[in-house]
Amino acid sequence: ILNVEQSPQSLHVQEGDSTNFTCSFPSSNFYALHWYRWETAKSPEALFVMTLNGDEKKKGRISATLNTKEGYSYLYIKGSQPEDSATYLCASGVASGGSYIPTFGRGTSLIVHP
Amino acid sequence: DAGVIQSPRHEVTEMGQEVTLRCKPISGHDYLFWYRQTMMRGLELLIYFNNNVPIDDSGMPEDRFSAKMPNASFSTLKIQPSEPRDSAVYFCASSLRTALVSQETQYFGPGTRLLVL
Repeated sequence: ILNVEQSPQSLHVQEGDSTNFTCSFPSSNFYALHWYRWETAKSPEALFVMTLNGDEKKKGRISATLNTKEGYSYLYIKGSQPEDSATYLCASGVASGGSYIPTFGRGTSLIVHP
Repeated sequence: DAGVIQSPRHEVTEMGQEVTLRCKPISGHDYLFWYRQTMMRGLELLIYFNNNVPIDDSGMPEDRFSAKMPNASFSTLKIQPSEPRDSAVYFCASSLRTALVSQETQYFGPGTRLLVL
């Protein structure tokens, strides 16, 4: 089981603010990095999957970058809206013996105040 | 597809009772995962199956927990006897593996919220 760390643990921002948070993971034998969005009382939903160093993904106002050499990924939200309030999970892992099972971080809880 | 289906959505039981949680993965997915979510530990992987075969159950907390997958469309997680510390949200997820180079996304069910009194 890998050590996948997310920071900060929680974040409060005002509507319209841009924000970002971090996922750190072991860089050796890296295979993939996933970001999930998890709204209260719902189940996690996939946002992005990234595999290559320097990858950047974007979906609307949300984007993510990946640095596999130093073992981190950033998730950015531009112009936060109250509906962006959720917990953002990252998951990463290594591929071994034909199997790849990612380890989830504890998540960053984002609350956007109107 | 209806997505991953879990039942029941909520379960309240008394300590010592047997609890069975059920999951129907997305059709065609060959991996199934059971997770437990608590405030203290976050999202913990309990066990996962590949083609109905349990691959890694090292996350199962103790012998009171057991999981089965009798066929590709159904899995159960059983707790017997249940204890108050088992209270948590239990998620089932499934994914499709086509080749090692694929980057599988896990699709989560709605979860079962378990409360053991």
